Amino acid sequence: DAGVIQSPRHEVTEMGQEVTLRCKLISGHNSLFWYRQTMMRGLELLIYFNNNVPIDDSGMPEDRFSAKMPNASFSTLKIQPSEPRDSAVYFCASSLDRVSGNTIYFGEGSWLTVV
Amino acid sequence: LAKTTQPISMDSYEGQEVNITCSHNNIATNDYITWYQQFPSQGPRFIIQGYKTKVTNEVASLFIPADRKSSTLSLPRVSLSDTAVYYCLVGVYNQGGKLIFGQGTELSVKP
Repeated sequence: DAGVIQSPRHEVTEMGQEVTLRCKLISGHNSLFWYRQTMMRGLELLIYFNNNVPIDDSGMPEDRFSAKMPNASFSTLKIQPSEPRDSAVYFCASSLDRVSGNTIYFGEGSWLTVV
Repeated sequence: LAKTTQPISMDSYEGQEVNITCSHNNIATNDYITWYQQFPSQGPRFIIQGYKTKVTNEVASLFIPADRKSSTLSLPRVSLSDTAVYYCLVGVYNQGGKLIFGQGTELSVKP
């Protein structure tokens, strides 16, 4: 399996522009997580889905951020409008939901710079 | 949510055994303990997971005492390539919990 695939790997955009980050889950996985990582705040959980349904979005910073799962294998994280403080690495991770513990698999991240 | 506490950083030398201890005093009955490794410019990578006693795989061992209020990740004979940040997580996300990463332990292995 190719693992969790994220795109773009790197993006530089101007303040006010819309940013869309994409994620393809590992085949067969049914849970999807979006994390954000910065030096100051470490790894923050933004939102996670189970079977395409958002379970907890309490980590989403504000209304400028939105995430969707249009199908079982794909997700997008959108920032509109973007601001310089959104600059971070955004990780997508997926997992197979099971009762006896769980392991989440991360993608390589999308490095976002908002200038 | 079970909060975890780990040392911020550790230094070691090649060939030594490294033990990183994580405290999780309010761990819940259903919680599992999972350790992840993160190299610079990469996403975190699963190392090992356990519920109680001892778990061993080809990469590491995980020791969990009977009260489960702490756990110790043991890396045998580290090499320079083991320099990374190691995160201890406690939880079971699929039962309403969330997998929350703490600050992690930055391990530096020197020659």
